[in-house]
Amino acid sequence: DGGITQSPKYLFRKEGQNVTLSCEQNLNHDAMYWYRQDPGQGLRLIYYSQIVNDFQKGDIAEGYSVSREKKESFPLTVTSAQKNPTAFYLCASSSSAGGSSEAFFGQGTRLTVV
Amino acid sequence: GQSLEQPSEVTAVEGAIVQINCTYQTSGFYGLSWYQQHDGGAPTFLSYNALDGLEETGRFSSFLSRSDSYGYLLLQELQMKDSASYFCAVEGYSTLTFGKGTMLLVSP
Repeated sequence: DGGITQSPKYLFRKEGQNVTLSCEQNLNHDAMYWYRQDPGQGLRLIYYSQIVNDFQKGDIAEGYSVSREKKESFPLTVTSAQKNPTAFYLCASSSSAGGSSEAFFGQGTRLTVV
Repeated sequence: GQSLEQPSEVTAVEGAIVQINCTYQTSGFYGLSWYQQHDGGAPTFLSYNALDGLEETGRFSSFLSRSDSYGYLLLQELQMKDSASYFCAVEGYSTLTFGKGTMLLVSP
């Protein structure tokens, strides 16, 4: 079945640690996105990528990093520079960046700093 | 940049009709999408408008006025399972920007 998979579902991080969230899609989509969602809030864009080996900062990129070495994969690293990382992280993909395409979301990773 | 405004909460009863409005400001615009998210779940796509007018998909309809930078989602024959958060999203030239969401509470 085609889809987008995020792992892990729950992640606990100690202060000062970097952690990497996985996002894989087998939909052959060009565009991939990372969003952060805080309780009662909308989805805020962290990073996005339109093609392999290229990505752009979104609205809240500070303290995060990404890579796009393969079309299927768009991992997000939450670095120790991110001062308030506890949140729900959602990865999405679409067939094109901009222009009449449905975005498909993974089930999310809930990150908690302990 | 892009910004979107939508009401934070709407309440309605089963069988009723409810409209969720969305106004946006954007530097680049392809279209307006609507997504549904149940608590703790992944957002799922509901509808998309690129041109002015009404798009109907079953019980849900979506409207867009590009000149007014305004759209709405219309939900008819409300069911309890429609209780969820609804997000409007602007498709820009290379990004997908979401509003803060509207929580819809459907009561018996």
